[in-house]
Amino acid sequence: EVQLVESGGGLVQPGGSLRLSCAASGFTFSSYWMHWVRQAPGKGLVWVSRINSDGSSTSYADSVKGRFTISRDNAKNTLYLQMNSLRAEDTAVYYCGRAGEQLVDYYGMDVWGQGTTVTVSS
Amino acid sequence: DIQMTQSPSSLSASVGDRVTITCRASQSISSYLNWYQQKPGKAPKLLIYTASSLQSGVPSRFSGSGSGTDFTLTISSLQPEDFATYYCQQSYSTPRTFGQGTKLEIK
Repeated sequence: EVQLVESGGGLVQPGGSLRLSCAASGFTFSSYWMHWVRQAPGKGLVWVSRINSDGSSTSYADSVKGRFTISRDNAKNTLYLQMNSLRAEDTAVYYCGRAGEQLVDYYGMDVWGQGTTVTVSS
Repeated sequence: DIQMTQSPSSLSASVGDRVTITCRASQSISSYLNWYQQKPGKAPKLLIYTASSLQSGVPSRFSGSGSGTDFTLTISSLQPEDFATYYCQQSYSTPRTFGQGTKLEIK
């Protein structure tokens, strides 16, 4: 079964750090671009970051640039999001998503994890 | 950044109705437009990619059209399980922006 499972969320104080993980199974992880998308409570979907299949290229939303780092370990079939200097406005459910085709990223995200909740509060 | 604007923001309809949701991009995105369905407490689900291609396993009552800046998602005959929030997203450039969502409610 094709599956993504996020972990690492929790409660953190403003200015703190967290690292989210997304464990992939049931497909050739190293062939797919991957994304992080977040959703604040009661709000819409917001794209956060993307990484290409071999990890050599990354992109970020302006709101997280310089604070968040996306990475992957293809040997461990795992995607990461390192989040530093966290702010209250980073509070959200964070989803990882798989690009819809191997080796390219034009066809939407066809597999999503269940989400992990990050709460930034003192 | 490309801005995506959906209309309406909310919509009330009945089972069996035909429903259309519109998404407009702030600049041309060719056909790089995707549609997602999200139910409360669940992850989004890809319905349509590249404007009009139906994702595997998605019922044929869902269809998409458009190119350039204007796109539509149509549900030909609403079923009870279709009441959800729908999002468009462009995959033409980064950041991969989403529309603000359209909440489809039961009338």
